[in-house]
Amino acid sequence: DAGITQSPRHKVTETGTPVTLRCHQTENHRYMYWYRQDPGHGLRLIHYSYGVKDTDKGEVSDGYSVSRSKTEDFLLTLESATSSQTSVYFCASLRVGGDGYTFGSGTRLTVV
Amino acid sequence: GENVEQHPSTLSVQEGDSAVIKCTYSDSASNYFPWYKQELGKRPQLIIDIRSNVGEKKDQRIAVTLNKTAKHFSLHITETQPEDSAVYFCAVKRDFGNEKLTFGTGTRLTIIP
Repeated sequence: DAGITQSPRHKVTETGTPVTLRCHQTENHRYMYWYRQDPGHGLRLIHYSYGVKDTDKGEVSDGYSVSRSKTEDFLLTLESATSSQTSVYFCASLRVGGDGYTFGSGTRLTVV
Repeated sequence: GENVEQHPSTLSVQEGDSAVIKCTYSDSASNYFPWYKQELGKRPQLIIDIRSNVGEKKDQRIAVTLNKTAKHFSLHITETQPEDSAVYFCAVKRDFGNEKLTFGTGTRLTIIP
């Protein structure tokens, strides 16, 4: 699945600082998603995008914002990081008419 | 919104035995039911999926069954092998116009040699 990459792979940041995670896909997929993965909770949707400049909130969007200025890039920003946002973040993409997501490799974020 | 429950949360089986993981969902409009496998430190990978017009689908040692009336679907792994040890997630999605997967909470499967 080299068609979708996330950066950085690991990050440690301090409480209160802004953090931006990047997802880049070369598949020309229309739909993109940000999920967080926590023990006991599975994968929970943070935000998603139906296309350039077309985004919407998922079930756990508080404290997060996103932007999609190009088809290939979907950015997730933690406006002021908190310890509860320590998690593994996965980006995913989906083509029009497709079913199963393509996932990125994940970003492990630790907020101290 | 959609609610997906997955059971059990952990499962240990002897190598060669079968494993079954079950998911129930709430939205009767859900029409697509994939299963993902996630090995330690890796990304989730799609292993099998089924649509609501099909009751069962097989791919070698894995199969998925769907009961749309009861709103549940299950993953069956036969002749388990050590490499089947992983976390498995079920998910559900409506068709077209709502392209979001809602995931279950995951099952950690351990194959005992």
